[in-house]
Amino acid sequence: DADVTQTPRNRITKTGKRIMLECSQTKGHDRMYWYRQDPGLGLRLIYYSFDVKDINKGEISDGYSVSRQAQAKFSLSLESAIPNQTALYFCATSDPRGRGGYTFGSGTRLTVV
Amino acid sequence: ELKVEQNPLFLSMQEGKNYTIYCNYSTTSDRLYWYRQDPGKSLESLFVLLSNGAVKQEGRLMASLDTKARLSTLHITAAVHDLSATYFCAVDPQPGSSYKLIFGSGTRLLVRP
Repeated sequence: DADVTQTPRNRITKTGKRIMLECSQTKGHDRMYWYRQDPGLGLRLIYYSFDVKDINKGEISDGYSVSRQAQAKFSLSLESAIPNQTALYFCATSDPRGRGGYTFGSGTRLTVV
Repeated sequence: ELKVEQNPLFLSMQEGKNYTIYCNYSTTSDRLYWYRQDPGKSLESLFVLLSNGAVKQEGRLMASLDTKARLSTLHITAAVHDLSATYFCAVDPQPGSSYKLIFGSGTRLLVRP
């Protein structure tokens, strides 16, 4: 099993629908992150969480919300999806000292039509 | 605000040739990470550079960090087709306090026969 698992792998949804992307990890890391990737823009941070009670906005949090249900689970929600949220979404984890870098999930390709 | 710039953004090179990818960043940091991404896949950690002067090598790839110049390089020696991928550098703008990585836009590398 993968260390960081994202579901679904692919999703097509309609404008205005609510959608949740889920992430679970078996690394035992406290820190979890959500990034989106758009062609030519690299990865941009949406939200991050350093433990269950500590959730922080990243550089592009508008239109998104998150929930840290447990140390191992971190979900990203789009309350009312819009087409410019079409992107590849990655969940990642890290240890507190950051010496190992991030461990990424396999990604969720989301298309909003 | 931290900016991370990679160049070139696209690199087409012949097998057997050498080349260097550059990663410049705009604020003080002594932690830099390199990742590789194959098309449609997740990001795989290549190198973790945690101090000025750090140099890491793996196969035909070598990464270095100059924190005074705010520059990291990824050197490719005698390129082979299997190295074709997109390479990202990422910087931790606040080592020891927040640990959330800022990514460059990526360098898409194509190695031609």
